[in-house]
Amino acid sequence: DVKVTQSSRYLVKRTGEKVFLECVQDMDHENMFWYRQDPGLGLRLIYFSYDVKMKEKGDIPEGYSVSREKKERFSLILESASTNQTSMYLCASSDQSRGDLGEQFFGPGTRLTVL
Amino acid sequence: AQRVTQPEKLLSVFKGAPVELKCNYSYSGSPELFWYVQYSRQRLQLLLRHISRESIKGFTADLNKGETSFHLKKPFAQEEDSAMYYCALYGRGSTLGRLYFGRGTQLTVWP
Repeated sequence: DVKVTQSSRYLVKRTGEKVFLECVQDMDHENMFWYRQDPGLGLRLIYFSYDVKMKEKGDIPEGYSVSREKKERFSLILESASTNQTSMYLCASSDQSRGDLGEQFFGPGTRLTVL
Repeated sequence: AQRVTQPEKLLSVFKGAPVELKCNYSYSGSPELFWYVQYSRQRLQLLLRHISRESIKGFTADLNKGETSFHLKKPFAQEEDSAMYYCALYGRGSTLGRLYFGRGTQLTVWP
């Protein structure tokens, strides 16, 4: 059973703070993703990684950075949090070695509030 | 460019009624289409994919390349089907593992 875990379910930060969101998967997946989920806007891809130390920008990378030092861990960093980054953040992973690349496994989400 | 459109943000039906959640896509190559579902307080999960051509929880979806659609259907909706549904596209040849999601449709099934 694939498990994707996220470090916090709820997080409250102040404007200007540096914020770290951690994601860990235990299935040796190559691909990992960070999305934000907002009502009416659906899922928007922030960054993804298909290998250790590799990263690719998604559709809304501004204001975010990522780190992937180990295969199982993918971190999302908000260098200076702003109120418009208040959102639900979802992490996901997928198995690159299989032919089926469309199935992503999601974490429970982190609801971040920036005051 | 890849694009997935779900025209209905909200959809309400009564229990036992048929339900259809619409999804249209644009992609110049050979797409693979998926439906993901998120029940209240649960994580997002895969519901079904077009290549498997199977029925999951009574839902089916057929890929219509002529109309570039992948609508999700169920003949008799149940209250437990109430959830957020996302249509997603994976384009072969696109960046590895990347999915393109629609904006989602919130389905409510009334008793």
